[in-house]
Amino acid sequence: GAVVSQHPSRVICKSGTSVKIECRSLDFQATTMFWYRQFPKQSLMLMATSNEGSKATYEQGVEKDKFLINHASLTLSTLTVTSAHPEDSSFYICSARNPRGPGTEAFFGQGTRLTVV
Amino acid sequence: GQQLNQSPQSMFIQEGEDVSMNCTSSSIFNTWLWYKQDPGEGPVLLIALYKAGELTSNGRLTAQFGITRKDSFLNISASIPSDVGIYFCAGQLNRGSTLGRLYFGRGTQLTVWP
Repeated sequence: GAVVSQHPSRVICKSGTSVKIECRSLDFQATTMFWYRQFPKQSLMLMATSNEGSKATYEQGVEKDKFLINHASLTLSTLTVTSAHPEDSSFYICSARNPRGPGTEAFFGQGTRLTVV
Repeated sequence: GQQLNQSPQSMFIQEGEDVSMNCTSSSIFNTWLWYKQDPGEGPVLLIALYKAGELTSNGRLTAQFGITRKDSFLNISASIPSDVGIYFCAGQLNRGSTLGRLYFGRGTQLTVWP
């Protein structure tokens, strides 16, 4: 299957600082990537759809100024958590779909565990 | 948004037993997917289903896309300890701007005792 790489896998930051998470498609070009958030023992919640060369589409209730998404190339999308607070601590996961693949399913990165102290 | 009901929420079984979990939706999906997630990792795709009625196997795993396109089940036969994890169903609409967007079930936590 297609490979999606996410970095870093873990990050601890101080309250008030910003954190950038990268999502790369390693063996295909992705015009669309998705960012999810997952709380312990819960399902994945879609935060936003990242579109290459245009603005991201945010789900209802997700602050776009808080969670900045940049999709500057066909293989890289970044999520920046700005002015992070302890309540932003969570597991963030990206996914991407290979538009030239045999199927339409999305593949996920390894996830980033963010802890804000 | 789309609501997916996944059951059971958790299962505790003995090694060698078969497992079944299912997902239902209030809406029709064009694709049903089953993922497994290990602690601290992203979900890994197990099986993808593209046609209503489709029955697909992947080793000891078998999944079916319901005829109504509103449900799917996943069976695991002869479970082994490494089957432990959280299993998620996901539906995909495959149209226009939503292509690739997934709607997830709440997950089934599987525990396998040796």
